[in-house]
Amino acid sequence: DAKTTQPPSMDCAEGRAANLPCNHSTISGNEYVYWYRQIHSQGPQYIIHGLKNNETNEMASLIITEDRKSSTLILPHATLRDTAVYYCIVSPLRGTASKLTFGTGTRLQVTL
Amino acid sequence: DTAVSQTPKYLVTQMGNDKSIKCEQNLGHDTMYWYKQDSKKFLKIMFSYNNKELIINETVPNRFSPKSPDKAHLNLHINSLELGDSAVYFCASSRGGSNEKLFFGSGTQLSVL
Repeated sequence: DAKTTQPPSMDCAEGRAANLPCNHSTISGNEYVYWYRQIHSQGPQYIIHGLKNNETNEMASLIITEDRKSSTLILPHATLRDTAVYYCIVSPLRGTASKLTFGTGTRLQVTL
Repeated sequence: DTAVSQTPKYLVTQMGNDKSIKCEQNLGHDTMYWYKQDSKKFLKIMFSYNNKELIINETVPNRFSPKSPDKAHLNLHINSLELGDSAVYFCASSRGGSNEKLFFGSGTQLSVL
């Protein structure tokens, strides 16, 4: 699996947009970009995923650069409940070789 | 109803004991997983089963034996527990073996004394 690089921590004021970057310069053509988050003492939670087009759902938006070497997860209006560790992962969608390998992630702290 | 449920939530035991962690999902998914999160918070896949068939088996000691009686259940049995086995173990499931959307349980915190 391709490796990803994320900043270890970020702060965001409540109500503001949180923009979490991720570098994945060695991503392969069949690998998707996935974002999960882990709130303290809970299991990871799926947020969003994409291949090359930008994606949006009820939780967040995912912006993938044209060369696919980096992406940004956007939480449009962060709340205190969004405080968590956010993981950016690249992996094929399916196949016996595909598995989600979690790195160290970005610890997002949302403050008042 | 909880989508992926694990029991027990906490497990404290002595070195050398044998213990099991149970996992059940009510999502109708085909694939189930076990992940281990160590004290440094690294989350690593251990096993993956698709329709009761083992498809991913990472470098895990033989003391760990997953068992899938049906596609809704994936239990983890650990023999001869060691101090290094202390961690949080997460069960997860997904549809059709796809990475698209894994649903995780709330974890089992195992402490080996």
